Amino acid sequence: EIVLTQSPGTLSLSPGERATLSCRASQSVSRSYLAWYQQRPGQAPRLLMYGASSRATGIPDRFRGSGSGTDFTLTISRLEPEDFAMYYCQHFGSSPPMYTFGQGTKLEMK
Amino acid sequence: EVQLVESGGGLVQPGSSLRLSCAASGFTFDDYPMHWVRQVPGKGLEWVSSISRRTDSVGYADSVKGRFTISRDNAKNSLYLQLNNVTAEDTALYYCAKGLGNYWYGSDFDYWGLGTLVTVSS
Repeated sequence: EIVLTQSPGTLSLSPGERATLSCRASQSVSRSYLAWYQQRPGQAPRLLMYGASSRATGIPDRFRGSGSGTDFTLTISRLEPEDFAMYYCQHFGSSPPMYTFGQGTKLEMK
Repeated sequence: EVQLVESGGGLVQPGSSLRLSCAASGFTFDDYPMHWVRQVPGKGLEWVSSISRRTDSVGYADSVKGRFTISRDNAKNSLYLQLNNVTAEDTALYYCAKGLGNYWYGSDFDYWGLGTLVTVSS
């Protein structure tokens, strides 16, 4: 079973700054099955990226996903106030077939 | 506009059963796989179960396998999760989510409902 470890646990930045969030898999995974979600307080999660680097519908281009193998990154180029939230990476593994989430990174306003 | 509305949650005793429902609208329901994901308040996300478009394929997390059953009624645009023999560890907010692709496996969750809270306590 693949384990996803996100870092840092908490990231404190200011609006306008660049955020870099990491998701590391316990073994090499297909980038086709790596996704990122944003969850604002009191809201349901929202799909940001799928296939590691494809933006979901309506996601602004300041969000960028990258990576391969065991290391994946979500970059937010210029933080807006609405970007301060929890972020989760997710992977689908086929043996056994199951979805796994990372523990999350909290992006908080400094 | 895609809408997913969960219902059926509540306070139940350990060992009991309940059925969660998810009413879908704004998209062609039987064209997409569907998922259930849960979240203990203040904690992370945990995938629970998924079902294919035509109900011919399903998947479950090990933590619920043998106790939970996912189903769907395409004629009613509805998704269900039957929870049996619940324990305190099943206490969570249960989200219904639409699959992005054609199959439940490898199909990310592109729309989510607001969730229904299940609390298991004596």
